[in-house]
Amino acid sequence: DAGVIQSPRHEVTEMGQEVTLRCKPISGHNSLFWYRQTMMRGLELLIYFNNNVPIDDSGMPEDRFSAKMPNASFSTLKIQPSEPRDSAVYFCASKGGEQFFGPGTRLTVL
Amino acid sequence: AQSVAQPEDQVNVAEGNPLTVKCTYSVSGNPYLFWYVQYPNRGLQFLLKYITGDNLVKGSYGFEAEFNKSQTSFHLKKPSALVSDSALYFCAVSAGKTGGFKTIFGAGTRLFVKA
Repeated sequence: DAGVIQSPRHEVTEMGQEVTLRCKPISGHNSLFWYRQTMMRGLELLIYFNNNVPIDDSGMPEDRFSAKMPNASFSTLKIQPSEPRDSAVYFCASKGGEQFFGPGTRLTVL
Repeated sequence: AQSVAQPEDQVNVAEGNPLTVKCTYSVSGNPYLFWYVQYPNRGLQFLLKYITGDNLVKGSYGFEAEFNKSQTSFHLKKPSALVSDSALYFCAVSAGKTGGFKTIFGAGTRLFVKA
C-alpha cells in the first residue's frame, strides 16, 4: 500500500482564493482525520469521519472551512476564501488501529 | 473528556545516554496510548502503542514506553540515544470503544540528541 496520499504537497495562493486539499486514505481504513499544524498552535484536529460520515467537526475554525468524504477512498478539505492566517501544514490521517499520516500539504496564503 | 500533557517542550540528551520523554493523560475508561515521531517536513510516524497487556511496550527504532495506570503516565524511553533520534515526539490518547474514534495529541516534545 502506498500509504495515505495527499495532494498537492505545496500550495501557494493569494488571499481570497479558494483552496482545495485532497486526501486518499489507506484502503480498508474506515476513519479519516484532517489536522492542521502550525508553530503557534501545534497539531490541531479539524474534523474526522467514520465510514464517510463526519463525526466531529468542532475543530473547524470557521465557516470558510469545509470538508467532504464522498466515498471511502477520497476526502477534500476546502478553504473559501483563504486568508494569510490559514497558512499551515495540513495533514490527513486514516485509521485502522493506529493512525497513519500522510506527508502533508504545506499551504501558504499571501 | 480526554486530554494528554507533555510537560517538556524540549529534551536535550547526549548521544549514548538514556532518554525519557514524558507524557501524562486523562481519559474515561481504559486508555489507548500512542507515541508518534515527526521528522522535519514529514508527517507523523507511528512508534508504538499500548492497548492492554504488559505495561512495558516495545516499538520501532529501539523505543519503548511504560504504562503506569496509577500515575496516568506513558513515558517514552530509549536506553541509548542516537543523533538520528532528534525529532518532534507526540503522545496521543484515545478512549477506545467508549471514546469513539477520536485521538487527542499532546503538544509535542522536541528531542535534541547531541553528538
